[in-house]
Amino acid sequence: AQSVTQLGSHVSVSEGALVLLRCNYSSSVPPYLFWYVQYPNQGLQLLLKYTSAATLVKGINGFEAEFKKSETSFHLTKPSAHMSDAAEYFCAVTTNTGGFKTIFGAGTRLFVKA
Amino acid sequence: AAGVIQSPRHLIKEKRETATLKCYPIPRHDTVYWYQQGPGQDPQFLISFYEKMQSDKGSIPDRFSAQQFSDYHSELNMSSLELGDSALYFCASSSSSGGSRGTDTQYFGPGTRLTVL
Repeated sequence: AQSVTQLGSHVSVSEGALVLLRCNYSSSVPPYLFWYVQYPNQGLQLLLKYTSAATLVKGINGFEAEFKKSETSFHLTKPSAHMSDAAEYFCAVTTNTGGFKTIFGAGTRLFVKA
Repeated sequence: AAGVIQSPRHLIKEKRETATLKCYPIPRHDTVYWYQQGPGQDPQFLISFYEKMQSDKGSIPDRFSAQQFSDYHSELNMSSLELGDSALYFCASSSSSGGSRGTDTQYFGPGTRLTVL
């Protein structure tokens, strides 16, 4: 069965510093992986997705993620954090086990310090 | 571009009351999903519909039911509300445009925050 694990429920970085949010997946088949961002009291916004094409995926707002099969990872990065990046980030995988649905990780809250 | 619309945005109910949440998918999207996000938790899949038929079912309580109408909007009906039903309820829509189903991008609405007192 597919699942995702996000390492670190909270990450704090300084403005301008590198952002690294970790996600590891478990899947018996080639996975389709997603990163979503959720700002306070708002819905989920798709940042980027991996669907077995290029392993380095570029998303919105300067974020990107690299699919590494050998490490079963799909970490999200951004070279330089901005205050507006402060939000909750969810890694997700779609699965067709027990019905087609999206399974989310527990989420990582990103804090950006001035 | 049009997005997923959910109404109401906020809803306050008493225990044992009923609630109906509405979702209007992006035009030409044929699939609707419902998720429940409890406080400080990740979204949990409840149920989905494809072309007005129930497609998949997740951890949806028997007290809840949902349907998709001919105009593709969906309603989530919740009866005998309990305190634990207080959560943010998201609707998402996608288009099965002929590709692999796993690649369908789900576009989420802003959610309905349900508070049960």
